Amino acid sequence: NAGVMQNPRHLVRRRGQEARLRCSPMKGHSHVYWYRQLPEEGLKFMVYLQKENIIDESGMPKERFSAEFPKEGPSILRIQQVVRGDSAAYFCASSFRTGGEKLFFGSGTQLSVL
Amino acid sequence: AQTVTQSQPEMSVQEAETVTLSCTYDTSENNYYLFWYKQPPSRQMILVIRQEAYKQQNATENRFSVNFQKAAKSFSLKISDSQLGDTAMYFCAFMKQQGGSEKLVFGKGTKLTVNP
Repeated sequence: NAGVMQNPRHLVRRRGQEARLRCSPMKGHSHVYWYRQLPEEGLKFMVYLQKENIIDESGMPKERFSAEFPKEGPSILRIQQVVRGDSAAYFCASSFRTGGEKLFFGSGTQLSVL
Repeated sequence: AQTVTQSQPEMSVQEAETVTLSCTYDTSENNYYLFWYKQPPSRQMILVIRQEAYKQQNATENRFSVNFQKAAKSFSLKISDSQLGDTAMYFCAFMKQQGGSEKLVFGKGTKLTVNP
């Protein structure tokens, strides 16, 4: 039973390029969350999705960032026109249901913007 | 707004000893959930323990246990018989539930080093 799978593990982009981060939740999980971790900080919530729906994007910057969780395939976090301040570790988590359920995290994608 | 405070940026303990990591939180809610996550150098976020606020009994998972003081809004983690593999960052988290959404609010973490 594979855990939450994220790829790539490391991603290097130049300023102005696009970054696409992928997340496959655990089998049977339909709730996906994205978090961002800056150096020496805890994780910060970005967005919560269920299949084909964005439930809560209150933590996502209004511009350049978008997320989707299509009916088929992984969840994608997309960052357009990256800037140096976007450099961080991006974590995906999934859960079977809500109601205080445990969240299982992937290993994260380290985004470095040159 | 909910906040989570971990007042110990770094701690160290000798192998086989016991260590306690502190966490306090602020909320006006009555029912909620609290978590401790471990992040070793591999960066993987690993769930250590989960506590439901409406349960008075403290959660335990093998060598890991919590001291949950609801009135004081305190949620400390005790690690018994510390092992070298326990060396990691430890994050305390509060689950915020609002309008059909759930999100974890994390503290800044405590870096724990277990010395041989």
